[in-house]
Amino acid sequence: NAGVMQNPRHLVRRRGQEARLRCSPMKGHSHVYWYRQLPEEGLKFMVYLQKENIIDESGMPKERFSAEFPKEGPSILRIQQVVRGDSAAYFCASSPQNSGASVNEQFFGPGTRLTVL
Amino acid sequence: QKEVEQNSGPLSVPEGAIASLNCTYSDRGSQSFFWYRQYSGKSPELIMFIYSNGDKEDGRFTAQLNKASQYVSLLIRDSQPSDSATYLCAVSGRGYQKVTFGIGTKLQVIP
Repeated sequence: NAGVMQNPRHLVRRRGQEARLRCSPMKGHSHVYWYRQLPEEGLKFMVYLQKENIIDESGMPKERFSAEFPKEGPSILRIQQVVRGDSAAYFCASSPQNSGASVNEQFFGPGTRLTVL
Repeated sequence: QKEVEQNSGPLSVPEGAIASLNCTYSDRGSQSFFWYRQYSGKSPELIMFIYSNGDKEDGRFTAQLNKASQYVSLLIRDSQPSDSATYLCAVSGRGYQKVTFGIGTKLQVIP
């Protein structure tokens, strides 16, 4: 049972370019979460998605950032016109669909390290 | 006030000792509590979760929850150098709600 997959693992972009980060959840998981982690800082929630729906995007910057989780294919975190401050590790996590669950276990992918030159 | 507070450390313990990691949270409605371990340059790995007051044991790890005090802790018995990592406390409401992470406590186990 493959874990959460993210690609690319490392991404280098110049200021003003676009960055696309992809996340495939664990098999059987239909909930995806994106987090950003700056060096020596904690994980900051960005967005929570289910298939074709954004459930909570309260942690997403208002501009330049967007996320989707289409019916088919991976979830995408898109950053337009990147700036140096966007350099960070971006982690995706997934959790299973279980309507009776009271515990929200999340399993993390290996992350994408974004470097903006 | 931060939603989930942890001492960033580093916390240094000798090999074989008990490491005690602490976390407090501000939202009294929180239902689920998690401990993740993150090695440098790696992704967080779920160690334990707890949602009832009291203790939950899994091998060398024990999670403790006190909802009245809004306090959760992780004890690591017989600490090993391989336990050296950052331990993240995370809190969420019931079901599929946002999980809020603390900044993490860096643990160093000295051989």
